[in-house]
Amino acid sequence: ETGVTQSPTHLIKTRGQQVTLRCSSQSGHNTVSWYQQALGQGPQFIFQYYREEENGRGNFPPRFSGLQFPNYSSELNVNALELDDSALYLCASSLYPSSGANVLTFGAGSRLTVL
Amino acid sequence: SQKIEQNSEALNIQEGKTATLTCNYTNYSPAYLQWYRQDPGRGPVFLLLIRENEKEKRKERLKVTFDTTLKQSLFHITASQPADSATYLCALSTSGSARQLTFGSGTQLTVLP
Repeated sequence: ETGVTQSPTHLIKTRGQQVTLRCSSQSGHNTVSWYQQALGQGPQFIFQYYREEENGRGNFPPRFSGLQFPNYSSELNVNALELDDSALYLCASSLYPSSGANVLTFGAGSRLTVL
Repeated sequence: SQKIEQNSEALNIQEGKTATLTCNYTNYSPAYLQWYRQDPGRGPVFLLLIRENEKEKRKERLKVTFDTTLKQSLFHITASQPADSATYLCALSTSGSARQLTFGSGTQLTVLP
């Protein structure tokens, strides 16, 4: 059983640029969630995708967008990067619907630095 | 607005002792509460889940309690080991369709040999 893999692991961008982060779900999972984790903080929910559609969104502006593909992999796109976008971006997969809580399997994250 | 607070400072304990981490929440009625462990440079790893109608859950050396009246969860690690050193995150979710997790900021635990 493969876990969640993310790429790239680290990247550096400049303000105003655009970035695409990629994620492969754990085998057997059909839902992908993206979280942003600033240094010293807990992960903050960006959005979740199920059946290739956005299924819930946190308090993030529209320049944060995503895709889910038929094989359940996913992309996170961020346009017009700002300095505050510097963070660890975590992808997590899960199975929905499930018997109860949304237990997440996280990837190791993509560390984005915006200069 | 919803607020989740964990131990505000890092927690240092001696090997073999019991570590107790707290998670308090306000303006929230969670259906589920989860605890995750996060090591530096890694993603969180799921440890335990407890439902709103459960008082206590155990898994090996781990125990979690959930008091919906006090709006608090306690996470215990008994017979702690240096390998338990990590940041521990509590996360709450409702029973809605998205069931997104809302995380606390975490408690950094160091177990001293």
